[in-house]
Amino acid sequence: EDQVTQSPEALRLQEGESSSLNCSYTVSGLRGLFWYRQDPGKGPEFLFTLYSAGEEKEKERLKATLTKKESFLHITAPKPEDSATYLCAVRRLRSGGSNYKLTFGKGTLLTVNP
Amino acid sequence: SAVISQKPSRDICQRGTSLTIQCQVDSQVTMMFWYRQQPGQSLTLIATANQGSEATYESGFVIDKFPISRPNLTFSTLTVSNMSPEDSSIYLCSVEGGSVQETQYFGPGTRLLVL
Repeated sequence: EDQVTQSPEALRLQEGESSSLNCSYTVSGLRGLFWYRQDPGKGPEFLFTLYSAGEEKEKERLKATLTKKESFLHITAPKPEDSATYLCAVRRLRSGGSNYKLTFGKGTLLTVNP
Repeated sequence: SAVISQKPSRDICQRGTSLTIQCQVDSQVTMMFWYRQQPGQSLTLIATANQGSEATYESGFVIDKFPISRPNLTFSTLTVSNMSPEDSSIYLCSVEGGSVQETQYFGPGTRLLVL
């Protein structure tokens, strides 16, 4: 069964203090790894899709990287508006038919203090 | 990406009753999905809503408890039947289709409290 573990569960940073969030995964054939941001009372907002080990994606202060066992979300010089829960999910590669299921981790709650 | 809306945004219901949640998309999409996000837990896929055929349910979820309709390519409903306090959760619909391949986009969610 696919598994996704995110760490830490919660992270407090000062504005400008860079750090990384971790997403470890176990899946029998990775079709894609996804990062989302979720603000309180809202649905997840898509950030990145990574398809293969070594791939990197960037958006403003965020950079996502992927290895064969884990993904990192690096946050450079964060601002208070980056405070949110960051979710990681994987989708399995399945032959002979479609598989749309995303398996999510529990998320990392990031708080950035001014 | 598609704009997704859900109704109601939140509700408080009595045990034993049923609630139907609507999901509307502003463009035609092939794949629509329903997820549940329980407090302190991961988002979990309930079912894939197929247009013109029965929904495909994940292990642990059954049609009698979570009947789903998909009458066209822009709309779907999820009903939570015979509710108990354990059904208190956020219910989210998602769609696949947009500028990024194989990526799902989520609606704002419906927050359900069962007393």
